[in-house]
Amino acid sequence: KQEVTQIPAALSVPEGENLVLNCSFTDSAIYNLQWFRQDPGKGLTSLLLIQSSQREQTSGRLNASLDKSSGRSTLYIAASQPGDSATYLCAVLLTGGGNKLTFGTGTQLKVEL
Amino acid sequence: DGGITQSPKYLFRKEGQNVTLSCEQNLNHDAMYWYRQDPGQGLRLIYYSQIVNDFQKGDIAEGYSVSREKKESFPLTVTSAQKNPTAFYLCASTAKRDYNEQFFGPGTRLTVL
Repeated sequence: KQEVTQIPAALSVPEGENLVLNCSFTDSAIYNLQWFRQDPGKGLTSLLLIQSSQREQTSGRLNASLDKSSGRSTLYIAASQPGDSATYLCAVLLTGGGNKLTFGTGTQLKVEL
Repeated sequence: DGGITQSPKYLFRKEGQNVTLSCEQNLNHDAMYWYRQDPGQGLRLIYYSQIVNDFQKGDIAEGYSVSREKKESFPLTVTSAQKNPTAFYLCASTAKRDYNEQFFGPGTRLTVL
């Protein structure tokens, strides 16, 4: 059974710092990996999707990398801002998994002024 | 605007009542999903549907029921058999043409009184 782990569970950084969020998964037979952002009491917003054949994806200040063989993905946030404060979730879709995502429990990020 | 809508935003249920949560999408997506989110546990899949008039159980289907009579709609009924229904419920959808990128609605918070 696929398990997805996110470390750290919570992170507090000063504004302007570059930071890395980690996601690891136990089954490397994935179709894609998706990073989401969730604000308190809200739904999930898709940030980046990396297909299994890709190594990384970039969107603005966000960069996500994928290493299937080691079962890891990282989300890099450059020049963090208070508006980046949210919970970040990663999720993997297994090949032949019936389009079912398996989610990590998230990293709660706080960017302080 | 294209998107996923969920209603109501907040729902209160008395013990022994069935309640139905609405999910509608105008993205022309084929697949739709229901998740439950509890603090510290991440998202867990309740039911999913890949095509009209067909749906499958997820990891925690007991006490829930769904229907998929129209492509745009995937309502979730929380029955009295669900012993601990207080949670945040999220609906999502995907289109295969977009590498199964999953998009989410704003959520419904259900509280049992």
